[in-house]
Amino acid sequence: GAGVSQSPSNKVTEKGKDVELRCDPISGHTALYWYRQSLGQGLEFLIYFQGNSAPDKSGLPSDRFSAERTGGSVSTLTIQRTQQEDSAVYLCASRGRGNEQYFGPGTRLTVT
Amino acid sequence: KQEVTQIPAALSVPEGENLVLNCSFTDSAIYNLQWFRQDPGKGLTSLLLIQSSQREQTSGRLNASLDKSSGRSTLYIAASQPGDSATYLCAVRPGYDKVIFGPGTSLSVIP
Repeated sequence: GAGVSQSPSNKVTEKGKDVELRCDPISGHTALYWYRQSLGQGLEFLIYFQGNSAPDKSGLPSDRFSAERTGGSVSTLTIQRTQQEDSAVYLCASRGRGNEQYFGPGTRLTVT
Repeated sequence: KQEVTQIPAALSVPEGENLVLNCSFTDSAIYNLQWFRQDPGKGLTSLLLIQSSQREQTSGRLNASLDKSSGRSTLYIAASQPGDSATYLCAVRPGYDKVIFGPGTSLSVIP
């Protein structure tokens, strides 16, 4: 594909359930980022991958959040036991040899 | 700790005006700075990227400047159009990994 894709585009889940969000970066991009944007707020950095490794996990808000990346490509962000404060748009971005980040359209998560 | 601020938080201008959006960061040790626009309900679109060794970048009606020593960047939009209405975000990359975003400036260009 030409750009970063994310799925699902929208997810409504009940409090306490686990959710998995997926990001497909631009082919060949080695760096991948996850951000969270709560309503009316700026972007909050969550985690960064270089290849399959995540050297910086300091942005993950709690131990209910985890992320992995396999094959240096697709990444999944998992939120366990979702809470209402997890409701936000989750954005993924990838970066290749250049320095520009390219963003996906995001996944809007609503926890009821 | 790197912090990024943007002023104004919101701006409304008549069509055709030139305008300047401001971004400030607290730590001048940055790798690069990038300006994005975000349209409602959509992802981010990259506008301009300025490396730490550069002072400005231009693309069409947009010009971004960077003054690392003072921790400031400006985005200049010439001859604004209603289609420029969006939220503009600046982001600094303090190292090779994380990127820190400002809160954004919401721009409305009135026809």
